[in-house]
This record gives sequence, structure tokens and C-alpha cells, in this order.
Amino acid sequence: DAGVIQSPRHEVTEMGQEVTLRCKPISGHNSLFWYRQTMMRGLELLIYFNNNVPIDDSGMPEDRFSAKMPNASFSTLKIQPSEPRDSAVYFCASSLGMGGNQPQHFGDGTRLSIL
Amino acid sequence: DQQVKQNSPSLSVQEGRISILNCDYTNSMFDYFLWYKKYPAEGPTFLISISSIKDKNEDGRFTVFLNKSAKHLSLHIVPSQPGDSAVYFCAASLYNFNKFYFGSGTKLNVKP
Repeated sequence: DAGVIQSPRHEVTEMGQEVTLRCKPISGHNSLFWYRQTMMRGLELLIYFNNNVPIDDSGMPEDRFSAKMPNASFSTLKIQPSEPRDSAVYFCASSLGMGGNQPQHFGDGTRLSIL
Repeated sequence: DQQVKQNSPSLSVQEGRISILNCDYTNSMFDYFLWYKKYPAEGPTFLISISSIKDKNEDGRFTVFLNKSAKHLSLHIVPSQPGDSAVYFCAASLYNFNKFYFGSGTKLNVKP
């Protein structure tokens, strides 16, 4: 079974550039999550969707960050303009259903470096 | 303010012995708890979970214990194997909500 697929795996770009991270959730899962992992803050939830609708975006750090889910099989996280402090590993996860007892399944992440 | 804390950033254990990873939480409303394992360059993978109505859940070599009065949970791995070397995250959630609160992780090293 295909898991959560993220692309690219690595992204290196210069400050000020637009960055777009992509995620394909597990087929049939109706909840999708974007996380950021840093040494200082660990795994922090940025935003999550249920049935393609954003439910909670309180973790999005600034207006420079935006996320969309145009359909059940695709989501993007965009940073514009990017800054060096955005350097981190970004994970996408999906789960079946809305309950807190539904384990989330993670992709392998995108390692983002902003120079 | 972190609602889920893992106060030990690392743990080293000999192969065959027990590994005990600890996690504390502050929100008494949490009613579901999970442990994830993460290898380098991979995403976290779900390991085991426990509902707040239980105090123990076992799956093979892995057992999670929950002490609600102390707001504490632990993961026991017996016997520990070198392949268990990874970063372990605990997470907590509210039953009706998808939102997970993760700890900062404990890096386990199982020495052969």
C-alpha cells in the first residue's frame, strides 16, 4: 500500500524565493496535517484539513505561510517569501476520520534549507 | 507552552534489557495517547496507543502504561533490540479532535 508521499525530499533555495511543498495523502484518508520539525520546537502542527476544508490553522507561523487542499489526493504548503528561519523538516500526515484516536500516518518529510 | 513533555532527550540501553521511555502531560482533558518511532530521514511511524479508560496496553515487546493521576505515561520495550534504536515521540489528543500534541522526543540507543 502506498503511504503518504511528499515532494520534494530536499529543497535548497535562497532567501526571498517562493517554496512549494507537496503532499499526497493515503487514499481514503480524509484528514491531512502539515507539521514542522525543528530542534528548538520539536514537532509542531501547522495546519490540518478535514474533507479538504482547513479546520485549524492556528499553528501557521506567519502570513508568509499558506496551505491548500484542492482535492482529496493533493495538498500544498507554500512559503512566500522564504526566510532562513524557515529551514526545517516539514512533514505531511494523513488519517482516517476526525477522532483523536485515529493514528496519523506520516510521509518521509521535506528537508528545507533557506540560504 | 508545551502540553506534552519528554524530559529525557536520550537513553542508552544494552541489548536484551528493558527500555523505559517517559512522557508527562499537563492537560487532564487528553483522552488518547500514542507513541511514534522515528528513524533518520524517515517520517514518524505509529507504534502503540492507549485510551484514557485503560492503564495498560500491550503489543508484543511494547507496553504502554498510563497513570492519569500523575499525568504520566511510559513506554516499555522488552527485550530491547538494536533495531529499536530511534527517536520516540509521545503524543496526546482529545477524542473528538484530530489535533495531536507531540513531545520533543527521546533518542533511544540500544547497544549490541
